Amino acid sequence: GQNIDQPTEMTATEGAIVQINCTYQTSGFNGLFWYQQHAGEAPTFLSYNVLDGLEEKGRFSSFLSRSKGYSYLLLKELQMKDSASYLCAVNDYKLSFGAGTTVTVRA
Amino acid sequence: GAVVSQHPSRVICKSGTSVKIECRSLDFQATTMFWYRQFPKKSLMLMATSNEGSKATYEQGVEKDKFLINHASLTLSTLTVTSAHPEDSSFYICSATLGGRWDEQFFGPGTRLTVL
Repeated sequence: GQNIDQPTEMTATEGAIVQINCTYQTSGFNGLFWYQQHAGEAPTFLSYNVLDGLEEKGRFSSFLSRSKGYSYLLLKELQMKDSASYLCAVNDYKLSFGAGTTVTVRA
Repeated sequence: GAVVSQHPSRVICKSGTSVKIECRSLDFQATTMFWYRQFPKKSLMLMATSNEGSKATYEQGVEKDKFLINHASLTLSTLTVTSAHPEDSSFYICSATLGGRWDEQFFGPGTRLTVL
């Protein structure tokens, strides 16, 4: 089956940087997504990696190493509104989600 | 672009009744739509994949007679929870892709179902 692991919770200060790691073991691989989800709302797309390396998009960056089954999402210049759950999802024959990492940003 | 809507956003029903949830792609034609459910503080679990004009493909452990999915057009898929029970209470989210299974999924805002 699919196995996608990410930390449960992280706390950081406004203006700081936080890195959310995701490791995966899946039977196939066709890309890795990161989504942001606020409580009671649907996930919103943040990034997509299918090749190794770093993808930068404003304050958010995502990295992928396929050989290591590893990705991270980097959030820079944290803002209070970044407090949310961040979901790592691997596209195999279906989109399989990790349990999510709840990030709390404190003033 | 690529907006997906769901209706209703919240529904409360009595045990034993059936509830229909609609998922619409507003500004694109969705070849494939997906239905997920999410329990509190848990991740999304794929329930089924539906393609317009064909039967839905259900994930292992999901009762197809319990969760009826109809994908009648390229912009509309419906999920009907039949004879709902309290354990069916959950957050149901649909998503749609522009292309096939490998494309980016655009998520609807979700439907909170509470069965009394």
